[in-house]
Amino acid sequence: DAGVTQSPTHLIKTRGQQVTLRCSPISGHKSVSWYQQVLGQGPQFIFQYYEKEERGRGNFPDRFSARQFPNYSSELNVNALLLGDSALYLCASSLLAVDTEAFFGQGTRLTVV
Amino acid sequence: GQSLEQPSEVTAVEGAIVQINCTYQTSGFYGLSWYQQHDGGAPTFLSYNALDGLEETGRFSSFLSRSDSYGYLLLQELQMKDSASYFCAVLNDYKLSFGAGTTVTVRA
Repeated sequence: DAGVTQSPTHLIKTRGQQVTLRCSPISGHKSVSWYQQVLGQGPQFIFQYYEKEERGRGNFPDRFSARQFPNYSSELNVNALLLGDSALYLCASSLLAVDTEAFFGQGTRLTVV
Repeated sequence: GQSLEQPSEVTAVEGAIVQINCTYQTSGFYGLSWYQQHDGGAPTFLSYNALDGLEETGRFSSFLSRSDSYGYLLLQELQMKDSASYFCAVLNDYKLSFGAGTTVTVRA
């Protein structure tokens, strides 16, 4: 069975640009969450979507937005990129609305120059 | 908000036992999770404790005391492949809040 897949795996963008990251959850999982992981730190929660509805949002600026599609895949958009947005962006899917067991993708490594 | 504290680094030899402690402050607590992450890899789920007590899964065990806002992950019979970062994470209604992680280095 395929795990959580994210694309692209690596990305280099210039300050001020916009980026879209994609995530396909494990088949049958209806919950998708996004996390940002800066080198040397733990993942920081950005968004959770369940059944296409936003259930929670972390302490990130409005430049960050996301959505979940009818097939439960998800996109994370970041506008007006800053150097500080450089990080590993992780997507996690779970069967339940509450992530008692979250399955993470390999992440998208975003570098802003 | 949430805050979690765990040691930054632990070093041990193959075959040894390591305990990683985690203390937390949070509201809306559902449970405590543990994740393993190898360099360049995805975090992988190890355990989840919703109730007080010890949960054992093979060489790994996890403990929770809700009254003390404390938990630990116990790694037994350490192997070289256990060298990784280990994160405790508090689960509330809709999110996992992760600690900064503990880097475990296993020496031969």
